[in-house]
This record gives sequence, C-alpha cells and structure tokens, in this order.
Amino acid sequence: DADVTQTPRNRITKTGKRIMLECSQTKGHDRMYWYRQDPGLGLRLIYYSFDVKDINKGEISDGYSVSRQAQAKFSLSLESAIPNQTALYFCATKRRAAGELFFGEGSRLTVL
Amino acid sequence: AQSVTQPDIHITVSEGASLELRCNYSYGATPYLFWYVQSPGQGLQLLLKYFSGDTLVQGIKGFEAEFKRSQSSFNLRKPSVHWSDAAEYFCAVGAKDGANNLFFGTGTRLTVIP
Repeated sequence: DADVTQTPRNRITKTGKRIMLECSQTKGHDRMYWYRQDPGLGLRLIYYSFDVKDINKGEISDGYSVSRQAQAKFSLSLESAIPNQTALYFCATKRRAAGELFFGEGSRLTVL
Repeated sequence: AQSVTQPDIHITVSEGASLELRCNYSYGATPYLFWYVQSPGQGLQLLLKYFSGDTLVQGIKGFEAEFKRSQSSFNLRKPSVHWSDAAEYFCAVGAKDGANNLFFGTGTRLTVIP
C-alpha cells in the first residue's frame, strides 16, 4: 500500500459543485501539504499544515479550504468549483526535521 | 523572493547519450536542493537531495547533481540515458530554517529516442 494515499484519483465535476479531495498517510509525518500542478507552471503550494491545530495558506489558497482531521488525514475542499481549478492535485508529507517531501500519486480534477 | 528556474522546457536525447538538466535558484537563506522525477500518471519521486557537505551528490537510477553556490545552480546529470528515463523532472529549493516549504521549478520534460 502507498504511504500517501489520495482519493479520488480522478474526478469530473461541474461548475459550482463542492468537491473534496482526501489524503491519508501512514508515514507518521507531522507536516502535510496540498500542491496543484498545471502544465508549464510546475507545482504551486495551496495549503500546508504542521499539525492538527496549525494550518497555513500557501501561494494560491483562494477558492480552496482544508481540514486536518487527524495527524494522518488532510483534506482539500473546493467550495464552488470553477473551470480554472481543473488541474492535478498532489498531497505530500514531510517529517518535522527533514527537508524532502513524499508525494501521493495525485488526484486529477476536471471542472466542466 | 524564492524562485527556481528550469530554462529547458523540453529536451530530447538519444538512448545512451549523456544528459544534463539545468536548474538555477534564488533563495535568501542557505538552501536545501532537490530533484524529483514524475513518470506519466505518477506522483513525484525523489531522485536526490543536497543539504550540506560534498557538492556532488549521487541519487537513484544513476543520476547525480552538482551544487555550485557561485552560480546558484544545481544541475542534474546522467552519463548514459535509458528509455525508461523519459519523464518530467522538477528541481526544488527549500530552507533549512523556518517553514521549510519547497519551491518548485516549472519542470523539464525529457524525451528519449531509440
């Protein structure tokens, strides 16, 4: 089983719908992240969390919200999806003292 | 401000040829540096990282990278490319202190021709 699991892996939805992407990890890491990947733009940070009570905005948080339900779970919500939120979304984790990120396999979201 | 530049959007090499992918960074603090690879339909896998010490670091799959502080560069190299190396490669930079978030370049897509 993957250490960082994202669900769903693929989702097609319509403009205005609420969408939740979920992430769970078995690595025991404190820090969890949500990134968005768009062609030609690389990965951009949406939100990050250092623990259950510590959630921070990244560079592109507008239109998104997150919830850290437990140390192992970090979900990303789009309250009212719009077409320019069509992208590949990655969850990642990191140990407190280490610098490298461990990624899930991604959730491809299409907003029509 | 932190930034990572990967000047080559797409590179094509022949199988067996050598490879160098360029990465330049701008970062106010002492940086951590990383190279990740993304195969089609997959997440990102760490190839190698530089934290301190020897500026030539070895990674998985026969890759290496050299940190050059004077040039603010961390270029990725491989002496002989295999067809399975076709993927997208991302350079990233992070800080040793503070939030320690990683900033990614826009990626270089590698095509390998037989």
